[in-house]
Amino acid sequence: KAGVTQTPRYLIKTRGQQVTLSCSPISGHRSVSWYQQTPGQGLQFLFEYFSETQRNKGNFPGRFSGRQFSNSRSEMNVSTLELGDSALYLCASSSPPGQDFSYEQYFGPGTRLTVT
Amino acid sequence: SQQGEEDPQALSIQEGENATMNCSYKTSINNLQWYRQNSGRGLVHLILIRSNEREKHSGRLRVTLDTSKKSSSLLITASRAADTASYFCATANQAGTALIFGKGTTLSVSS
Repeated sequence: KAGVTQTPRYLIKTRGQQVTLSCSPISGHRSVSWYQQTPGQGLQFLFEYFSETQRNKGNFPGRFSGRQFSNSRSEMNVSTLELGDSALYLCASSSPPGQDFSYEQYFGPGTRLTVT
Repeated sequence: SQQGEEDPQALSIQEGENATMNCSYKTSINNLQWYRQNSGRGLVHLILIRSNEREKHSGRLRVTLDTSKKSSSLLITASRAADTASYFCATANQAGTALIFGKGTTLSVSS
């Protein structure tokens, strides 16, 4: 099976602009999660989608949004970019968790966003 | 906020030596996972240990879990240069819909 793919891999934007990142999960996976990774805050959960519904959202401002399409592909959008949004954005897909929440996630290579 | 906290933050060893990383967490868990991240790339799942397990092996990896101390350790035996990476422990949130990661241990293995 092909792995999780993310596009673009690198992106440079200016403060105030908006950006859309894309993620294609592993075939058959219906859950897609997004994480932000920065040197200061580490890996932080943004949101999770399952069957086009957002099931969980991390502690991020409303400028961060996402959606999932019927084919499970997902996009995340960041509006009014700030310098602090510079980060590696990781997408992960998974099959439904086991009964004990054994929830192994498969990560894409990430999109490196630089805001200048 | 971080659920897991890894210790040490950084570790440098020679090839062939063993590397031990520790993780502490705050709330009760159903399972704990370890992931590896090569520089600036995506994370790779290494191993999952359930709350009713005390020890688990996978190749050169050995994971232990002590739920009474809310801690886990990852041992990599006979380290190789290719093991150079950051290692993260992760636990699931209450709803089981998200992973909460620690800040990671950066392992450097020199030949």
